[in-house]
Amino acid sequence: SQTIHQWPATLVQPVGSPLSLECTVEGTSNPNLYWYRQAAGRGLQLLFYSVGIGQISSEVPQNLSASRPQDRQFILSSKKLLLSDSGFYLCAWSRQGIGETQYFGPGTRLLVL
Amino acid sequence: QQQVKQSPQSLIVQKGGISIINCAYENTAFDYFPWYQQFPGKGPALLIAIRPDVSEKKEGRFTISFNKSAKQFSLHIMDSQPGDSATYFCAASSYTGGYQKVTFGTGTKLQVIP
Repeated sequence: SQTIHQWPATLVQPVGSPLSLECTVEGTSNPNLYWYRQAAGRGLQLLFYSVGIGQISSEVPQNLSASRPQDRQFILSSKKLLLSDSGFYLCAWSRQGIGETQYFGPGTRLLVL
Repeated sequence: QQQVKQSPQSLIVQKGGISIINCAYENTAFDYFPWYQQFPGKGPALLIAIRPDVSEKKEGRFTISFNKSAKQFSLHIMDSQPGDSATYFCAASSYTGGYQKVTFGTGTKLQVIP
């Protein structure tokens, strides 16, 4: 079966500090990978998606970047965090193809102070 | 056109009652409609999903009703239990740019009281 991991689970960072969140998927190969952000009590906003190694597409302009150095690894980064970067960050994966479900990881709670 | 409108924003149901959450969409290119359940501090988990060629899908106490002509779909939770208390997101997706792009509703916070 497939498993998706995210770490850290919780992170408190000062404004202006760098960020690196990691997501890995087990039990599948060549997945599509996604980063979402969920503000408190709000819906999910797609930040980045990747259909293959080194292939990153951004949905919204922002202070964040993403990378996919390996097939099942997806990293969300920032050089300098802003207060507005606080939120719940979710990684998701899906099989490639039409009509495939996205499966979410446990999430990382980021608080920027 | 990419929006998915979800209602109500919050819902309180007595234990044993029926919880109903409604969603509407505009984009006829959507070809897959999943529902997710999210508990506080956790990632959303797929609950049940339907494709537009089916009008109803039932899994245990959870049923999706789908009305393609009205571009509406709904989640019914029968015999609601306190353990069902969570936030529910409807979603609609279409295949574009090599991936299944998912548009989420804004969520319904369900509270089932004993």
